[in-house]
Amino acid sequence: DTEVTQTPKHLVMGMTNKKSLKCEQHMGHRAMYWYKQKAKKPPELMFVYSYEKLSINESVPSRFSPECPNSSLLNLHLHALQPEDSALYLCASSQTAGRAASSYEQYFGPGTRLTVT
Amino acid sequence: AQSVSQHNHHVILSEAASLELGCNYSYGGTVNLFWYVQYPGQHLQLLLKYFSGDPLVKGIKGFEAEFIKSKFSFNLRKPSVQWSDTAEYFCAVTSANTGNQFYFGTGTSLTVIP
Repeated sequence: DTEVTQTPKHLVMGMTNKKSLKCEQHMGHRAMYWYKQKAKKPPELMFVYSYEKLSINESVPSRFSPECPNSSLLNLHLHALQPEDSALYLCASSQTAGRAASSYEQYFGPGTRLTVT
Repeated sequence: AQSVSQHNHHVILSEAASLELGCNYSYGGTVNLFWYVQYPGQHLQLLLKYFSGDPLVKGIKGFEAEFIKSKFSFNLRKPSVQWSDTAEYFCAVTSANTGNQFYFGTGTSLTVIP
């Protein structure tokens, strides 16, 4: 199984709502990632979890709150978002993260298309 | 920090034409190189990757890429494109110095006209 799944596929939320995005992989990967992608732009890294610990936060606003409950799951909690946060949110996983893992490719999920109204 | 350049922002080709998309990176050490494709409305899919060995790598759907270390390049090629190749193409680089953090190029939008 080389699949990363994400739910929901689409999400529309108001600026005062609280919602969560979910990501799951069963490949035994110990690194998981959140990316934000605008149309026709490359993915922008938001967070990296390595062995269930947050290892990289690319200066993401606090209205985005990641959580890694276990090695297979990654959540992204959303609160008080702005319309400019509308984008495709991608989850990815790799075997590990860090210097020894530079050869490990990332497997991407299909994404959640988020619209903030 | 690494940087990755894709100079072709938008390419328009007729079916059966040959394709070459440029990718250049800035890091001088050992790198790992990837090409991803994103079809309209779909997720990123890996086309091919280079870690070591033969610098000419073959991927899925008839794509190939050549790693030229002296030119810091990893150009993507396909001898004959099809309408179904219409998509966004992203080059990405990682290195031992940056762990598994991907540096993506800005992407090339390919439109193939039937």
